[in-house]
Amino acid sequence: GAVVSQHPSWVICKSGTSVKIECRSLDFQATTMFWYRQFPKQSLMLMATSNEGSKATYEQGVEKDKFLINHASLTLSTLTVTSAHPEDSSFYICSAGTWEQPQHFGDGTRLSIL
Amino acid sequence: ILNVEQSPQSLHVQEGDSTNFTCSFPSSNFYALHWYRWETAKSPEALFVMTLNGDEKKKGRISATLNTKEGYSYLYIKGSQPEDSATYLCASTSGTYKYIFGTGTRLKV
Repeated sequence: GAVVSQHPSWVICKSGTSVKIECRSLDFQATTMFWYRQFPKQSLMLMATSNEGSKATYEQGVEKDKFLINHASLTLSTLTVTSAHPEDSSFYICSAGTWEQPQHFGDGTRLSIL
Repeated sequence: ILNVEQSPQSLHVQEGDSTNFTCSFPSSNFYALHWYRWETAKSPEALFVMTLNGDEKKKGRISATLNTKEGYSYLYIKGSQPEDSATYLCASTSGTYKYIFGTGTRLKV
């Protein structure tokens, strides 16, 4: 079946650092990828929709200058958390696929900002 | 209902028991209801996609039903096994083209 690779799986870094998370579709072309964030005991919250070759669409309340998304190819989307602070610590996960089909998820990235 | 809600939050059953969970979702502008199984240290795995009122899907010992008029779906597991232990997520997609996830039901067998 379709495989989505996400890395790193775990990041610990100092406050003020920028962190890049990669999401790759390994055996299919993904024109659309989604980025989610999950706080403990809460649901997956859609942050943004990443479209290959165009600007990402951000959900209300998500700062686009804080969470930079790039989808330069059909197999790779990146999420960069710029100048990360402790409140950005969370679980981030990507998925690939169109909105009306089942999503293929990466394994997620646990980000801890000290 | 504006959010997708799942109940119970967690469930502990004995091996061999049958069980079911509920997913409630907004019924307006409904397009599809998805069920995923999310095992620890793995990525969520798609189980079912249902779009029509009255849809029933089955995969082995797991089945699901859909009621779009009242906005709920049930997931059933027959004869639970330890390998069924996971978090079961449902997600609703609507005319706004968005995935809205529930918080999941954590099952331990």
